Amino acid sequence: AQSVTQPDIHITVSEGASLELRCNYSYGATPYLFWYVQSPGQGLQLLLKYFSGDTLVQGIKGFEAEFKRSQSSFNLRKPSVHWSDAAEYFCAVGVLLSGGYNKLIFGAGTRLAVHP
Amino acid sequence: DAGVTQSPTHLIKTRGQQVTLRCSPKSGHDTVSWYQQALGQGPQFIFQYYEEEERQRGNFPDRFSGHQYPNYSSELNVNALLLGDSALYLCASSLDRGWKEQYFGPGTRLTVT
Repeated sequence: AQSVTQPDIHITVSEGASLELRCNYSYGATPYLFWYVQSPGQGLQLLLKYFSGDTLVQGIKGFEAEFKRSQSSFNLRKPSVHWSDAAEYFCAVGVLLSGGYNKLIFGAGTRLAVHP
Repeated sequence: DAGVTQSPTHLIKTRGQQVTLRCSPKSGHDTVSWYQQALGQGPQFIFQYYEEEERQRGNFPDRFSGHQYPNYSSELNVNALLLGDSALYLCASSLDRGWKEQYFGPGTRLTVT
């Protein structure tokens, strides 16, 4: 069965420190992977996505993620965190359904707190 | 260009009642998906509408139903509300069943008492 695991429920970092959020997926076919961010009371904003090609993908707000097929991972990184990055982060895998339709399967999320 | 919009923002209902949530997709998008996000969890896929028909469905009971109109807007209906239906309901739109870029709305927070 397809699934996404985000091992860290909460992470706290200091402003200016580097960040890595972990994501592991289980999917039999070529995965299509996404990272979304959700601020309190808000919907989901797409940070970046991986479909194919270069395994290091760049996203918005200075985020990047690296796809590692051998580890079934798609970890999100940022070299220097800003206080405004405090939010909940969701990793998702796109699952292709019959008829060309699709759905996203999300992890449970990682809540990021940033200390000044 | 307006993004995905949802209404209402918040809603409080009593067990056993029925509720309708509304979604207007991003301009030019013809596919609408609905997700349920319970507190502390990631969103879960409810169903997807394309060409005014439900095309795919997640593991949700028949109490959850929907509709898509010719202008691509969509409704999510939940009958016989249970306490466990309390959640943030997210609408996502995309183009031509595509999932390479799903745009999410701000959600409707439903509280069932």
